[in-house]
Amino acid sequence: EPEVTQTPSHQVTQMGQEVILRCVPISNHLYFYWYRQILGQKVEFLVSFYNNEISEKSEIFDDQFSVERPDGSNFTLKIRSTKLEDSAMYFCASSEPFNYEQFFGPGTRLTVL
Amino acid sequence: SQQGEEDPQALSIQEGENATMNCSYKTSINNLQWYRQNSGRGLVHLILIRSNEREKHSGRLRVTLDTSKKSSSLLITASRAADTASYFCARMDSNYQLIWGAGTKLIIKP
Repeated sequence: EPEVTQTPSHQVTQMGQEVILRCVPISNHLYFYWYRQILGQKVEFLVSFYNNEISEKSEIFDDQFSVERPDGSNFTLKIRSTKLEDSAMYFCASSEPFNYEQFFGPGTRLTVL
Repeated sequence: SQQGEEDPQALSIQEGENATMNCSYKTSINNLQWYRQNSGRGLVHLILIRSNEREKHSGRLRVTLDTSKKSSSLLITASRAADTASYFCARMDSNYQLIWGAGTKLIIKP
């Protein structure tokens, strides 16, 4: 069964460093999403992406964040200058056109020291 | 807050019993979805119920939706130890964003 994959599973970085979180959505999906979950808290929407551009973004998704689909398979989330409060689990999801079900990857745990 | 709220926050039951979790929300929805998350792991989609539906079943799972009360419930029948997890409701708004609740932590005691 096709699934969303994410790499790395765990990323440790120093405050101020740039990180790139990678996702490979399900191949025939056209809508892509990033969410984050700070430990013990709710899942929060960050951004949705369709047709090579951002569809929606939340207040969390400020200028420090960017997303890209550099090729036909990867979908990346970049955090330019990480802060301690960026430590969280980051989930990528994808969905088919006209289908509301979003399929989630296993997540990347980002730890900012 | 526009986010869903689940109750109870935590639920501990004996294996074989039924578990019921509730979710309430404040604004209109396109659909409402339930997810499971095992400790520290990814989110697994369980059921999607559309705003014009009242009940859906999937195996041992039953979801109801009452749009007049802006609430939904997830029932897991004949619970098993493997059902131990956190369960989240997430409502899809008009922008197709999923707005998540805080979750119910379910513990099934063997």
